[in-house]
Amino acid sequence: SQQGEEDPQALSIQEGENATMNCSYKTSINNLQWYRQNSGRGLVHLILIRSNEREKHSGRLRVTLDTSKKSSSLLITASRAADTASYFCATDYRETSGSRLTFGEGTQLTVNP
Amino acid sequence: DAGVTQSPTHLIKTRGQQVTLRCSPKSGHDTVSWYQQALGQGPQFIFQYYEEEERQRGNFPDRFSGHQFPNYSSELNVNALLLGDSALYLCASSFVGQSYAAFFGQGTRLTVV
Repeated sequence: SQQGEEDPQALSIQEGENATMNCSYKTSINNLQWYRQNSGRGLVHLILIRSNEREKHSGRLRVTLDTSKKSSSLLITASRAADTASYFCATDYRETSGSRLTFGEGTQLTVNP
Repeated sequence: DAGVTQSPTHLIKTRGQQVTLRCSPKSGHDTVSWYQQALGQGPQFIFQYYEEEERQRGNFPDRFSGHQFPNYSSELNVNALLLGDSALYLCASSFVGQSYAAFFGQGTRLTVV
């Protein structure tokens, strides 16, 4: 079963606006990652935040992590039409034999020109 | 660097048949993970291979099996196909010991009719 839950499921904004997506998870993690997917194709890694970090930036992306609430948020600033895609959070919890990514259901972001 | 490559891109199979999907990891990566993504859902972990052995397995039946070759490439085999196996199958590669940020291929779209 999916560990993460994202909200909203769908988000529609105008170019230039900011987009915020939230993710909640259930178990302890080593890190949390955000991925982007265009039109049901491959996933592109956006950013990774470790469990001992609270905030991370990469270009127009800002990710926060609150391990006490088991939640994360992804902020995309000054959005562009090209940002239209599905965004997934994925948690990485490491077992003794390796790690796996557990994905949420995703947020479909539409940026209108 | 070709990144992660998967073949074929699309595949149509009949119920009860068997299918083999292939994945070549990104140069320098030694770990390959497979994910199944049903339409409108997030990817679900199938299994992970490292050093030619299955390290972890998700909640998938034994009809799903895999293999990793000495050159780190991998195959996913699905026997006795069901209509519910129709999905996008994603391969991800990573390097053990690093941050576990995964690089994904473009996926194989499997349709079972």
